Amino acid sequence: SQTIHQWPATLVQPVGSPLSLECTVEGTSNPNLYWYRQAAGRGLQLLFYSVGIGQISSEVPQNLSASRPQDRQFILSSKKLLLSDSGFYLCAWSVVGGKNEQFFGPGTRLTVL
Amino acid sequence: QQQVKQSPQSLIVQKGGISIINCAYENTAFDYFPWYQQFPGKGPALLIAIRPDVSEKKEGRFTISFNKSAKQFSLHIMDSQPGDSATYFCAARNNYGQNFVFGPGTRLSVLP
Repeated sequence: SQTIHQWPATLVQPVGSPLSLECTVEGTSNPNLYWYRQAAGRGLQLLFYSVGIGQISSEVPQNLSASRPQDRQFILSSKKLLLSDSGFYLCAWSVVGGKNEQFFGPGTRLTVL
Repeated sequence: QQQVKQSPQSLIVQKGGISIINCAYENTAFDYFPWYQQFPGKGPALLIAIRPDVSEKKEGRFTISFNKSAKQFSLHIMDSQPGDSATYFCAARNNYGQNFVFGPGTRLSVLP
């Protein structure tokens, strides 16, 4: 069965510090991968998606970047965090050409102070 | 045109009552409509989904009603329980796109 992992689960970082959040998927090959941000009490904002290794599409201009160094690994990064980067970051995957279902990871709670 | 509208923003229902959450869309290319349930501090989990070739889909106490001509779909939770208290998101995706568009969410509270 497929599983999706995110770490760390929680993170407190000072403004101006770098960020690296990791997401890995097990039990499937060549998934579509997504990064979302969810502000407190808000909906899901798509940040990046990837259809393959090294292929990243950005949905909104921002302080963040994403990379996909391996088929089932998706990394969200920042060189210098802003206060506005605080939120709940969710990684998700879906099968290309499958049932269109999207599966979410457990999320990372990021607080920038 | 990529937007999915969702209402109400919050909903309070008594135990045993019916919870109804509504969503509307504009893009007629959408052909897959899932609902997600999210508990605090957790990732959203797929609850139920429908394609526009059917008008209703039922799984246990959860039912999706779909009105293609009105471009609306709704989630009905029958016999609502306190354990159903969560945030619910509707979403949509078109067959040639990779991305899902999510509604802003509805926070449901079921009172015991």
